[in-house]
Amino acid sequence: EAGVVQSPRYKIIEKKQPVAFWCNPISGHNTLYWYLQNLGQGPELLIRYENEEAVDDSQLPKDRFSAERLKGVDSTLKIQPAELGDSAVYLCASSLSMTGTQYFGPGTRLLVL
Amino acid sequence: AQSVTQLGSHVSVSEGALVLLRCNYSSSVPPYLFWYVQYPNQGLQLLLKYTTGATLVKGINGFEAEFKKSETSFHLTKPSAHMSDAAEYFCAVSGSSNFGNEKLTFGTGTRLTIIP
Repeated sequence: EAGVVQSPRYKIIEKKQPVAFWCNPISGHNTLYWYLQNLGQGPELLIRYENEEAVDDSQLPKDRFSAERLKGVDSTLKIQPAELGDSAVYLCASSLSMTGTQYFGPGTRLLVL
Repeated sequence: AQSVTQLGSHVSVSEGALVLLRCNYSSSVPPYLFWYVQYPNQGLQLLLKYTTGATLVKGINGFEAEFKKSETSFHLTKPSAHMSDAAEYFCAVSGSSNFGNEKLTFGTGTRLTIIP
């Protein structure tokens, strides 16, 4: 079965520009997560979806970050405007209720200049 | 609240030697515990997990970990290191409610280097 798909894999933008990341979870997985991984650190949760509902977005900087998960499948994470400190890897993960095991995509590496 | 401490940001072992990566956790609820491996420019791959039951958990690639509640530890071991084990390893904890479908709290990672 296909794993979690993310695109793009790499993105370079100038500060103050907008950027969007896309995630397609494993088929049938109703829980979707976005994590932020800074260099040399472990991932940190930005937002968690149960189907279409964002059930935990307490760590999402809502002044510049937004996310959506239409129809409870694919998800998009957006940053507008981007800042230098947003340079990091953005990981998407999904899990199937009743198992609790999160499967991660390859991530999108963002560089803000 | 939950937290994870990984002792040693860098560990080097000789090929064929024992691998021991240390993880201690803090959790106010019964924890689910995980070890993930990350190869350069890739996402995280699950090595093994502990939920309930047997405290010695076996995972992929010959790795295993033992849950010790009294020591709040979940150390990762492998009897004989292989060159392909060189990677970054992350220990993580989540709550056990909602079947573990909660956020993972990760440690800062341990970079494992294998010496030929």
